[in-house]
Amino acid sequence: EVQLVESGGGLVQPGGSLRLSCVGSGVSFSTDSLTWVRQAPGKGLEWVSYISSSSTSMYYSDSVKGRFTISRDNAKNSLFLQMTSLRAEDTAVYYCARDILRAFDIWGQGTMVTVSS
Amino acid sequence: DIQMTQSPSILSASVGDRVTITCRASQSISGWLAWYQQQPGKAPKLLIYKASNLERGVPSRFSGSGSGTEFTLTISSLQLDDFATYYCQHYSTFSYSFGQGTKLEI
Repeated sequence: EVQLVESGGGLVQPGGSLRLSCVGSGVSFSTDSLTWVRQAPGKGLEWVSYISSSSTSMYYSDSVKGRFTISRDNAKNSLFLQMTSLRAEDTAVYYCARDILRAFDIWGQGTMVTVSS
Repeated sequence: DIQMTQSPSILSASVGDRVTITCRASQSISGWLAWYQQQPGKAPKLLIYKASNLERGVPSRFSGSGSGTEFTLTISSLQLDDFATYYCQHYSTFSYSFGQGTKLEI
C-alpha cells in the first residue's frame, strides 16, 4: 500500500524551531516530487513548500520563505521540513503529499504543530 | 500572485442533486488546476487533475471543466459521502495556491 506518514509535530514556543519528517512506503520515492501543505484549525488549505525528486528545485510560500527549509533523503524515503522562527500563525496540521502533474495525489495523515507560550 | 476565488463558500443541497462549484482565477491560467474533497478530520483527497482528468478510483459522477479564468467541479448526483469541503488548487511558476473552500452541506 502506498503511504506517507508524518511525525515531529508538537508544542513549541514562539521563536522556536521544529523539524517535521515524512516517511514514504510503497511509492517510488526517489522519482517523486513532494510538497508540504498546512491547515490552521478551522481554516482552509495552504501550500507551504515543494521539492523536486533530486532536490534541484525547491519552492516556498511567501509566508514561510526564509524561515522554513525543505529537504529530503531519498535513500531513507524521507522528506523533512525544518521550521525556525516559529510564529503563532504557523499553528496548523502539516501534511506531506506527493506531487504528480502539479496535483497532490497521496497525502499523509498530518502532524499537528502548535506555536504557543 | 494569482488569486483563486471559489464560489459559493457554502452550498446546501440534497441527495440526488446536481451541483457545481466554481473556481475563478485573478488572471488567465494554464490547465494546472486540481480539485480536492476533504472530510472532517481527514486529509484531502484528489478528485480531478489538469482541470478535467478524473483521478483513478474517483466515481464518474465527479467531473471538472474550464479554461482561462473559470473552472468548475460538477457532481452529477449527490451521494451522502459527497457532503464535505471542496478545494480547488492551482500551480503557476514556482508557486501553488488553494481556493478558500466550498462546504457542501445537506
